[in-house]
Amino acid sequence: AQRVTQPEKLLSVFKGAPVELKCNYSYSGSPELFWYVQYSRQRLQLLLRHISRESIKGFTADLNKGETSFHLKKPFAQEEDSAMYYCALRAQGAQKLVFGQGTRLTINP
Amino acid sequence: KAGVTQTPRYLIKTRGQQVTLSCSPISGHRSVSWYQQTPGQGLQFLFEYFSETQRNKGNFPGRFSGRQFSNSRSEMNVSTLELGDSALYLCASSADSYGYTFGSGTRLTVV
Repeated sequence: AQRVTQPEKLLSVFKGAPVELKCNYSYSGSPELFWYVQYSRQRLQLLLRHISRESIKGFTADLNKGETSFHLKKPFAQEEDSAMYYCALRAQGAQKLVFGQGTRLTINP
Repeated sequence: KAGVTQTPRYLIKTRGQQVTLSCSPISGHRSVSWYQQTPGQGLQFLFEYFSETQRNKGNFPGRFSGRQFSNSRSEMNVSTLELGDSALYLCASSADSYGYTFGSGTRLTVV
């Protein structure tokens, strides 16, 4: 079975400070990892997927298979980054996402 | 292009009733998935359809069912509603299963 753990339910940082949202997973195969974001009153949106190795809105995430982690990072937080962030895993050959419980990020001015 | 459209946006039903929710995927997307979102359980997978066939099903009772039509539109049905079925139901469509685009959801309240 697959499991995604986001250890922080709430995270608060000041504008301009670095941000790291933690995500750990449990899966014996080769996973596909995603980060989704949900801004206030908006739908869930794909932020990153590890396959593409993109940087979106200044966020990056690296898959660390040794530590089974996929932490989301941004060097300088902005107020508009305040949102709910979900880490998700898709197992090899599966057609479903397993989500973590989410981290609510608040950027203080 | 139009995104994933879910109807209705809000629904209030009484215990014991049944409900049907609708999802229109992005044009060209043949995979449609459904998720239940609650404060306690978070986002949980219900089922996924591709070309009118259910390929994967989550751990939900048989009261939860779905189907997909030839135009890729999908419906999910919940029969004999219980208070615990109150949730936000999200639909997601995908062209290649690598990225899923979510709708705004249908908020179901069971009273």
